[in-house]
Amino acid sequence: NAGVTQTPKFRVLKTGQSMTLLCAQDMNHEYMYWYRQDPGMGLRLIHYSVGEGTTAKGEVPDGYNVSRLKKQNFLLGLESAAPSQTSVYFCASSRQDFYGYTFGSGTRLTVV
Amino acid sequence: LAKTTQPISMDSYEGQEVNITCSHNNIATNDYITWYQQFPSQGPRFIIQGYKTKVTNEVASLFIPADRKSSTLSLPRVSLSDTAVYYCLVGASSNTGKLIFGQGTTLQVKP
Repeated sequence: NAGVTQTPKFRVLKTGQSMTLLCAQDMNHEYMYWYRQDPGMGLRLIHYSVGEGTTAKGEVPDGYNVSRLKKQNFLLGLESAAPSQTSVYFCASSRQDFYGYTFGSGTRLTVV
Repeated sequence: LAKTTQPISMDSYEGQEVNITCSHNNIATNDYITWYQQFPSQGPRFIIQGYKTKVTNEVASLFIPADRKSSTLSLPRVSLSDTAVYYCLVGASSNTGKLIFGQGTTLQVKP
């Protein structure tokens, strides 16, 4: 099993550009999450989904949008990238909330 | 949502047992305690979860006293590869979207 796969692994964007981060899981998990991790800040929840077709805001949702059109995929979009969005982004999934999150390997995004 | 407090950093030597304690004074009745491990440039990895008393798996043990206001993650005979950040989380299924990873405990294992 691949678990949780994130693409791309690295990306450099110019301020104002847009991009989509893809998260795919093959464990048939209902719950999926997008976190960002900044130095000394721990992980902060951006958006999450409790099932196909649902999304909800987390702790730091501003500047991001998400979609869960298929159960196995959770997309994170940046419409107009800003330097403050330079971070490492992690996707995770779980069978039910607060039970054994499986994380992807991360996407390192730099906005210049 | 229960707030957790854990040491920012700890040092140990290879072969020693390491105990990392997490305080969660306002833990709710239906809350579980979960620990994750994160290596540099990787996503966190689930280690262990428990509700009360003691839980053991092939990686670690989790000790939870009767009042559940704290918990201790025990790593037996650590090696250099156990150098990582360890996160303690407290919550329940009803806390969807409200679980937050704090700064965790950075464990440095020395030779």
